[in-house]
Amino acid sequence: GAVVSQHPSWVICKSGTSVKIECRSLDFQATTMFWYRQFPKQSLMLMATSNEGSKATYEQGVEKDKFLINHASLTLSTLTVTSAHPEDSSFYICSARDQDGYTFGSGTRLTVV
Amino acid sequence: GENVEQHPSTLSVQEGDSAVIKCTYSDSASNYFPWYKQELGKGPQLIIDIRSNVGEKKDQRIAVTLNKTAKHFSLHITETQPEDSAVYFCAARRGGIKAAGNKLTFGGGTRVLVKP
Repeated sequence: GAVVSQHPSWVICKSGTSVKIECRSLDFQATTMFWYRQFPKQSLMLMATSNEGSKATYEQGVEKDKFLINHASLTLSTLTVTSAHPEDSSFYICSARDQDGYTFGSGTRLTVV
Repeated sequence: GENVEQHPSTLSVQEGDSAVIKCTYSDSASNYFPWYKQELGKGPQLIIDIRSNVGEKKDQRIAVTLNKTAKHFSLHITETQPEDSAVYFCAARRGGIKAAGNKLTFGGGTRVLVKP
């Protein structure tokens, strides 16, 4: 089946620094990828839809200048959290649309100290 | 936009019993309804899905039913086992070719505990 690889699985960074998270579709091409944020004991909140070769579509309330998304190829989308602050600490999950449905990455636990 | 409500938020069952989770959706144009299982610290994994042209789908101990008229769908897990303990999410996707129609809207999740 379709596989989505997400790295890193966890990262700790200092406040004010930037962190990049990668999401790769390993065995299929993904023209559309999605980035979610999940707080403890809550559901997945869609942050943005990443479209290959074009600008991402951000959900209402998500700061596009803070959460930079790049989808430069059919197999790779990246999320960069810029100038991270403790309130950005969360579980970030990517997803890619494949021919059958949607496959999710394993998630990235971001802790900003 | 689409709104998906999921109940119950927590569910405790005895091993071997059945578990049922229900979801309702608001957008009558939704045509794809997946269910995901999420274990602690991991991403969601698809366990079963159903499309609007069928009313029921089964895969071993897992089944999903869809009532388009009432706009609700349910997950049924029979003969539950301790490894079924996890958080389960339902989701719905609106049909159409536009990018906005491709995104999933998730329910709030159900924490299932199967007691041995």
